[in-house]
Amino acid sequence: RKEVEQDPGPFNVPEGATVAFNCTYSNSASQSFFWYRQDCRKEPKLLMSVYSSGNEDGRFTAQLNRASQYISLLIRDSKLSDSATYLCVVTGGGFKTIFGAGTRLFVKA
Amino acid sequence: ETGVTQTPRHLVMGMTNKKSLKCEQHLGHNAMYWYKQSAKKPLELMFVYNFKEQTENNSVPSRFSPECPNSSHLFLHLHTLQPEDSALYLCASSFGQGNQPQHFGDGTRLSIL
Repeated sequence: RKEVEQDPGPFNVPEGATVAFNCTYSNSASQSFFWYRQDCRKEPKLLMSVYSSGNEDGRFTAQLNRASQYISLLIRDSKLSDSATYLCVVTGGGFKTIFGAGTRLFVKA
Repeated sequence: ETGVTQTPRHLVMGMTNKKSLKCEQHLGHNAMYWYKQSAKKPLELMFVYNFKEQTENNSVPSRFSPECPNSSHLFLHLHTLQPEDSALYLCASSFGQGNQPQHFGDGTRLSIL
């Protein structure tokens, strides 16, 4: 089993749609959780951290469920500019950082 | 954004060459990271340095040799690489002890002939 697993993509959605991504992790001792986005041939950029209480940033909402060991990302009112690969990231003790393989999102006009 | 700068952006080298990748961060972070990103594979953590001390080495072959002279600079020395080492090499930095977000450079796209 992979340490961090994400929904297989790609997701193809129209502008204005709501889309949700899930990510599961295997290490119950994992400490910090993040969503990054990566555009084609670019570096990953932090989208948002994920907290146990859930957090929202504009159209983006992240949730963490420690009991079930998964995190989610909800994007409302999708824009063309949201097209990217979304990476789930989990950290364990120390500096160990595990990236998921990513989920491709295509938002079409 | 120039918080984390990597050079060169592109590198083509033969299997017998020796080259170095450079990373510099201007964010005042204490930790620096090297990652490898191959086509259709997740980012793989290679090395981590915290205040110049290596804290992670994820079973990386010895043909990759990192160097961290201070908290702002990180190098990856390359020697006798294999074709399967062709990939995007990304540098990142962060505050704290590994639980803070990381900021990435643009990466060096490496091709081994």
